[in-house]
Amino acid sequence: QKEVEQNSGPLSVPEGAIASLNCTYSDRGSQSFFWYRQYSGKSPELIMFIYSNGDKEDGRFTAQLNKASQYVSLLIRDSQPSDSATYLCAVNTAPSGGYQKVTFGTGTKLQVIP
Amino acid sequence: NAGVMQNPRHLVRRRGQEARLRCSPMKGHSHVYWYRQLPEEGLKFMVYLQKENIIDESGMPKERFSAEFPKEGPSILRIQQVVRGDSAAYFCASSPPASGGDTQYFGPGTRLTVL
Repeated sequence: QKEVEQNSGPLSVPEGAIASLNCTYSDRGSQSFFWYRQYSGKSPELIMFIYSNGDKEDGRFTAQLNKASQYVSLLIRDSQPSDSATYLCAVNTAPSGGYQKVTFGTGTKLQVIP
Repeated sequence: NAGVMQNPRHLVRRRGQEARLRCSPMKGHSHVYWYRQLPEEGLKFMVYLQKENIIDESGMPKERFSAEFPKEGPSILRIQQVVRGDSAAYFCASSPPASGGDTQYFGPGTRLTVL
């Protein structure tokens, strides 16, 4: 079983719609969860992090965490063509606190259709 | 404040040569992480270093790969006797001391091509 699983997509949504990206993880002890955006040929860019169950909103982005279900998601409202990228879910699987050993999913490719 | 810097951005080597990849973390950051991304695959953790210390190298191949982060100068990822399977993008990230669960900032990456 992979430590962090994502649907590879592509996920296609029309411009202005809500894009929903999902991720599951296997380590119940994980405490920190991240979403990165990676444009083709570029490096990952952090867009959200979440530590607690529930929702966290930042502009058009909402991260949702459910530790009981080992599930984290990212919602993008009012999707724009510029949101077209690969979205990487990442989970801190460090054996002890104090540093991040971040395990990445393989990413979901999002396509926003104008 | 400059971001994480990596050089070279592109590196071409023939099989059997050595590759040296450099990473300068953001100012004030003392934690450095190296990741490898193969085409069409996710990011794979390789090694975590602090100044002069390797903290976690559980993702490093046992042979040919080594990393260091000296007291002065950039962090170096060294690949000896490269093979075609080493062709990938290598990303460095840094984070500040006592960042807890906070942000890792990524450099632009080095694209290694082995002929």
